[in-house]
Amino acid sequence: RKEVEQDPGPFNVPEGATVAFNCTYSNSASQSFFWYRQDCRKEPKLLMSVYSSGNEDGRFTAQLNRASQYISLLIRDSKLSDSATYLCVVNRPLTGFQKLVFGTGTRLLVSP
Amino acid sequence: NAGVTQTPKFQVLKTGQSMTLQCAQDMNHEYMSWYRQDPGMGLRLIHYSVGAGITDQGEVPNGYNVSRSTTEDFPLRLLSAAPSQTSVYFCASSPDRVRVQYFGPGTRLTVT
Repeated sequence: RKEVEQDPGPFNVPEGATVAFNCTYSNSASQSFFWYRQDCRKEPKLLMSVYSSGNEDGRFTAQLNRASQYISLLIRDSKLSDSATYLCVVNRPLTGFQKLVFGTGTRLLVSP
Repeated sequence: NAGVTQTPKFQVLKTGQSMTLQCAQDMNHEYMSWYRQDPGMGLRLIHYSVGAGITDQGEVPNGYNVSRSTTEDFPLRLLSAAPSQTSVYFCASSPDRVRVQYFGPGTRLTVT
């Protein structure tokens, strides 16, 4: 089983739609969770950190369910510019350097 | 701030050749890492550094060397290129062990 698993998609949605991605992780001791966004042929960039109580940043909402070991990302009112691959990232708990484990990503295509 | 810079952007090598991928950051971050990204796989950690003079291996270190003589620079050396090293290489830096990583634009390497 992969440490971080995501549905690769693609998710094809029209502009204005709401779309949700899930991600599961295997290490119950993980404590840091992130969603990164990666545009085609570009570097990953942090979209948002994910906190236990859930957090929102504009149209984006992230949730963490520790009991079930999954993380979700909800995008409301999708824009064409939201088309990208969304990477779920979880830390592998160790002392010293924080090793991040990256999912393979979920691709989102928003069409007019 | 330029952030994290990488050179070259593209490189083609023949099997057995050696080369150095350059990475520099101007954010005075202590933590720097090298990742490779291959289709269908998440980013995988090659080597990392927690400060000048300190480096350690990640998940996939074979065939690569690193050094960290200054806070700013973290070059990755391919000792004898192999086709299996064809990939996109990302350098990243972070201000501490638990915070978000900032990625460079990547180097696309093809080994023939």
